[in-house]
Amino acid sequence: GENVEQHPSTLSVQEGDSAVIKCTYSDSASNYFPWYKQELGKGPQLIIDIRSNVGEKKDQRIAVTLNKTAKHFSLHITETQPEDSAVYFCAASLKNSGGYQKVTFGTGTKLQVIP
Amino acid sequence: GAVVSQHPSRVICKSGTSVKIECRSLDFQATTMFWYRQFPKQSLMLMATSNEGSKATYEQGVEKDKFLINHASLTLSTLTVTSAHPEDSSFYICSVSGLGVETQYFGPGTRLLVL
Repeated sequence: GENVEQHPSTLSVQEGDSAVIKCTYSDSASNYFPWYKQELGKGPQLIIDIRSNVGEKKDQRIAVTLNKTAKHFSLHITETQPEDSAVYFCAASLKNSGGYQKVTFGTGTKLQVIP
Repeated sequence: GAVVSQHPSRVICKSGTSVKIECRSLDFQATTMFWYRQFPKQSLMLMATSNEGSKATYEQGVEKDKFLINHASLTLSTLTVTSAHPEDSSFYICSVSGLGVETQYFGPGTRLLVL
């Protein structure tokens, strides 16, 4: 089955600096890569996603890149703010035999933005 | 994205009792619903997938007789933890998706504590 690795597990940055989280996946059939932000005691919230036919996507301060050949994808947050502090999960998804998208999550990165 | 609610948000029960958790999709026809379990400082682990009107598909290692899932409509799925034990204490999160939809939208989670 799919295996998703995520690094680093913790990341501290000064407010205003950039943060980068990297993930790798194992199954070349995976075709959809969402990123979720989870605040303490809450459910994950989708912040950005990218499909396998796209190499890069940007939404304001957040960008995601995908290298299908190397099976790498990364989340970039620029001009970080204290409210960006949370746990971020990458995920790789593919349509399985049941017809739905099965999602495999990374292990999570705890981001702390220091004011 | 879809708006998903869960009830209750927190529940404490005695060992040996059963607990039912509801997941509602408020503005989205959820043909597929997923149930996850998350232990502290860990990633989300898929427990089961349910399609509306069908029996749930459980992941390996998840006891279907212990974690009863019902997905009777496009807006409601329930997870019943039967004969709960302290090791069942966890954060249970549902997510919803639909036909041809790659994204999963998550609920806010239910914190279960079994004494």
